[in-house]
Amino acid sequence: GAVVSQHPSRVICKSGTSVKIECRSLDFQATTMFWYRQFPKQSLMLMATSNEGSKATYEQGVEKDKFLINHASLTLSTLTVTSAHPEDSSFYICSGTSGGAGTDTQYFGPGTRLTVL
Amino acid sequence: AQSVAQPEDQVNVAEGNPLTVKCTYSVSGNPYLFWYVQYPNRGLQFLLKYITGDNLVKGSYGFEAEFNKSQTSFHLKKPSALVSDSALYFCAVREKGSNYQLIWGAGTKLIIKP
Repeated sequence: GAVVSQHPSRVICKSGTSVKIECRSLDFQATTMFWYRQFPKQSLMLMATSNEGSKATYEQGVEKDKFLINHASLTLSTLTVTSAHPEDSSFYICSGTSGGAGTDTQYFGPGTRLTVL
Repeated sequence: AQSVAQPEDQVNVAEGNPLTVKCTYSVSGNPYLFWYVQYPNRGLQFLLKYITGDNLVKGSYGFEAEFNKSQTSFHLKKPSALVSDSALYFCAVREKGSNYQLIWGAGTKLIIKP
């Protein structure tokens, strides 16, 4: 299956700093990428959908100025958590799809564990 | 409203026994159905999907799922469970024509005991 990588896998930062998470599709072109947040023992919460070269579409309740998403190429999307606070601590997962015939599977990255002190 | 239900928070199965993880959905129109597995502190791995055709879909690691339109279900099954199958399983649905967004179930923790 298609491979998606995320970097870093784990990051610890101080409150007020910004953190950038990279999501790369290694062997396919991801025309659409998704960013999710997952709390312990819970399902995935979709944060935003991004199409290459376009502005991301954020889900209701997700602050677009706090969670900056850039999808500059067909293989790279970044999520920047700006002015992070302890409540932003979570497991962030990205996924990508090549968006072919409308049936394409989402392939997920391994996730990034963010801890804000 | 569109939704996916995984009625069991946890399923316990003895190694070697068959396993079933249940999923029902409520969407308008014909859905695309997916199963993913998540191991601790990892992202999700795709297991299988139903788009059209044969109602019985075979996927990775010996798993299969049966699409039942009348019962709006897509239960995940495996004939003989392995301890290594212990993980968190998510069912997801996408409505045809949507922008690839998935509607997720809450997840079911599968525990296989030796």
